[in-house]
Amino acid sequence: AQKVTQAQTEISVVEKEDVTLDCVYETRDTTYYLFWYKQPPSGELVFLIRRNSFDEQNEISGRYSWNFQKSTSSFNFTITASQVVDSAVYFCALSEARRGSTLGRLYFGRGTQLTVWP
Amino acid sequence: DADVTQTPRNRITKTGKRIMLECSQTKGHDRMYWYRQDPGLGLRLIYYSFDVKDINKGEISDGYSVSRQAQAKFSLSLESAIPNQTALYFCATSDRTGIQETQYFGPGTRLLVL
Repeated sequence: AQKVTQAQTEISVVEKEDVTLDCVYETRDTTYYLFWYKQPPSGELVFLIRRNSFDEQNEISGRYSWNFQKSTSSFNFTITASQVVDSAVYFCALSEARRGSTLGRLYFGRGTQLTVWP
Repeated sequence: DADVTQTPRNRITKTGKRIMLECSQTKGHDRMYWYRQDPGLGLRLIYYSFDVKDINKGEISDGYSVSRQAQAKFSLSLESAIPNQTALYFCATSDRTGIQETQYFGPGTRLLVL
């Protein structure tokens, strides 16, 4: 069965610090997708990234970077030089992607509350 | 305009009342989903629909029903609301291209059942 674990419930940092949010997943599928979503205090869910299981290249987008390691079933998210506006709950999620599968549901972790202090 | 809208954004109701949450999308996606979020539990799937004639239960469908009135509309109903259905409800849509899929979420509906 699919499972996503975000062991860090809350993290607090001071502005300009780097911070890494951990995500560990379990799946029996050989092909799957991993996601990160951001939920700011206003409550909406903002899509940040999708990573395919067959592509282990790390990705950088501005201050955000993602480290996908299949060997350890991890998909960690790093914010460099954090800012107060980064304060939010961040969710890691997993979906299956078998050919012919009709179910693309997302399995979410419980989220990590990140607070960035000025 | 937002691609995925939910109405109402906030709702307070009483135990036993029937309530409907509505979701509309302008993304042209076939797939739509309803999730609920409870503090510390992440999001859990209630129902999902792959097209107008295809509706399926998720992991926590008891106490809920849905209606897919059109490709763009997917409503969630609580036939007889109870306090433990107090939660933040999200609608999501996706367009499955090949085997790739990304879900995009609406702004959420905060529901309080007294």
